[in-house]
Amino acid sequence: ETGVTQSPTHLIKTRGQQVTLRCSSQSGHNTVSWYQQALGQGPQFIFQYYREEENGRGNFPPRFSGLQFPNYSSELNVNALELDDSALYLCASSLGQGSSFGYTFGSGTRLTVV
Amino acid sequence: AQKITQTQPGMFVQEKEAVTLDCTYDTSDPSYGLFWYKQPSSGEMIFLIYQGSYDQQNATEGRYSLNFQKARKSANLVISASQLGDSAMYFCAMREEDDKIIFGKGTRLHILP
Repeated sequence: ETGVTQSPTHLIKTRGQQVTLRCSSQSGHNTVSWYQQALGQGPQFIFQYYREEENGRGNFPPRFSGLQFPNYSSELNVNALELDDSALYLCASSLGQGSSFGYTFGSGTRLTVV
Repeated sequence: AQKITQTQPGMFVQEKEAVTLDCTYDTSDPSYGLFWYKQPSSGEMIFLIYQGSYDQQNATEGRYSLNFQKARKSANLVISASQLGDSAMYFCAMREEDDKIIFGKGTRLHILP
């Protein structure tokens, strides 16, 4: 079975632009979470989707938004990019909520805002 | 207040020795889960081990074991017989009842030959 795939792997954007990051969840997984990991820090929870509905959100402004599609793949959209948005963005999928088997993470998208 | 505290920013350990990575947590939820992840330089987060708050036994997965002390709110990771490939960042994380996963700041482990 395939794991979690994220695209693109690297991205450079200019301040004020908009960006869309994509995530294909592991086969059979219906829950997707997004995390922002700044350099030298632990990942910070952005939001989670379960069966196409957002069911949890961290302390991020509304310009961070997302979608989950019927095939459980997901997108993270960030509008009006700021320099501090430069980070590794990680997507994780799991089977249902409250999974005890951990979340399978992708290798991330490294976003640089200049 | 931090919910996950990892007090060791970096550690150096000789190959084949055992190593303990510290983690303390703070929650008022009666039901929660604790995870450890490994992050090599490639960036991918690799799931290592899980401990549920109601689990009576400490979790073990191969060379990894979790020393769970509930009263102390401590969930230390023990790696036995360390290998050069264990060099990486290690993150302790907690899932509370709202299903969010909160990560600590991590410990960078260096295994010396």
